[in-house]
Amino acid sequence: SQELEQSPQSLIVQEGKNLTINCTSSKTLYGLYWYKQKYGEGLIFLMMLQKGGEEKSHEKITAKLDEKKQQSSLHITASQPSHAGIYLCGADSSGTSYGKLTFGQGTILTVHP
Amino acid sequence: GAGVSQSPSNKVTEKGKDVELRCDPISGHTALYWYRQSLGQGLEFLIYFQGNSAPDKSGLPSDRFSAERTGGSVSTLTIQRTQQEDSAVYLCASSLTGRSGNTIYFGEGSWLTVV
Repeated sequence: SQELEQSPQSLIVQEGKNLTINCTSSKTLYGLYWYKQKYGEGLIFLMMLQKGGEEKSHEKITAKLDEKKQQSSLHITASQPSHAGIYLCGADSSGTSYGKLTFGQGTILTVHP
Repeated sequence: GAGVSQSPSNKVTEKGKDVELRCDPISGHTALYWYRQSLGQGLEFLIYFQGNSAPDKSGLPSDRFSAERTGGSVSTLTIQRTQQEDSAVYLCASSLTGRSGNTIYFGEGSWLTVV
């Protein structure tokens, strides 16, 4: 079955610093989703990547998909306290025609002011 | 509605009781998913609806769990004879169609505690 490994498991940074979170798949990635979750809340959709080499940006967050390496990275530039939370990657890896996602275990991000 | 709506947001129930969790997807979304998030297991797929039918129920952990969807809209997840290991956050999600590649939007979740 599909497995997603996220690294690091947790990250503490000072406000203003850049950071990267990685998501590595044990199988071919058909689509990769990034979500953010605050404790006690639902998942907030960040970005979806479908093609190898694809890169998307929204505000200070950039996500890339390396299909050959079966890996995606999420990069935050000039982090702010509002970026704190749990970042989850989810993969549509089963090759099904519908969005059945397998998720990584999450990366807990803390940003100190 | 504007987003995926779930109720109740919190539920504490006694072991052995039945519970019903409700999900109201984004208007017009034909695909609906239930996931479960627990400390030990992370986020796990439970069931997928396309319209009112459920072509994939493979994630339901036991026959105590069932779900239905009516009118192609609201869905109810029912857990019978709850056990302590059922304690988790139950998340509902929806997407415009069931096709891979559609953005999947999640609700706030229903926190279930079985005591």
